[in-house]
Amino acid sequence: NAGVMQNPRHLVRRRGQEARLRCSPMKGHSHVYWYRQLPEEGLKFMVYLQKENIIDESGMPKERFSAEFPKEGPSILRIQQVVRGDSAAYFCASSPQQGGPDTQYFGPGTRLTVL
Amino acid sequence: GDSVTQMEGPVTLSEEAFLTINCTYTATGYPSLFWYVQYPGEGLQLLLKATKADDKGSNKGFEATYRKETTSFHLEKGSVQVSDSAVYFCALRSDNAGNMLTFGGGTRLMVKP
Repeated sequence: NAGVMQNPRHLVRRRGQEARLRCSPMKGHSHVYWYRQLPEEGLKFMVYLQKENIIDESGMPKERFSAEFPKEGPSILRIQQVVRGDSAAYFCASSPQQGGPDTQYFGPGTRLTVL
Repeated sequence: GDSVTQMEGPVTLSEEAFLTINCTYTATGYPSLFWYVQYPGEGLQLLLKATKADDKGSNKGFEATYRKETTSFHLEKGSVQVSDSAVYFCALRSDNAGNMLTFGGGTRLMVKP
């Protein structure tokens, strides 16, 4: 059973470009969480999604950031018009439908560098 | 708001040494507490957890006790191995925060043979 997959593992963008980060949850998991780790800081919650629904986006910046988890395909975290401050590691986690926090399974992360 | 503070790394130890990584937290209510480990190139894995005061979580020789009076959840291991080299994250989930986890900054452990 494959774990949580994230791609790309490393992404380089210039200021003003768009970044699209993908997360494929574990098979059978319908809940996805995105966390961001800025340099020298801990992971910060961004958004919690179920299939076709955003459940909690209290950690998402108000502008330029969006997330989706369509019925088919991976969850996408989209950052428009990236700035240098968006450089960070972005981690995705998934859990089964009845999961609690201890059943969040994490992916290896995508490291975004904005030049 | 909720927060987790853990000791800065890196922590460098020789094999078979005793390990302590300190973690303290601030939260309302009665949070659940966790330690996650991240091996190089991999995602975070749950190492152990405790859901109420005085609970002790344990796994793979690691232990941590939920101390409400000191708001701490220090990670310990009696004899570390080279294979324990990784980054360790302390985290909490408040009982009113749904599934959201709040993480500390991570502590890198390096164990030398």
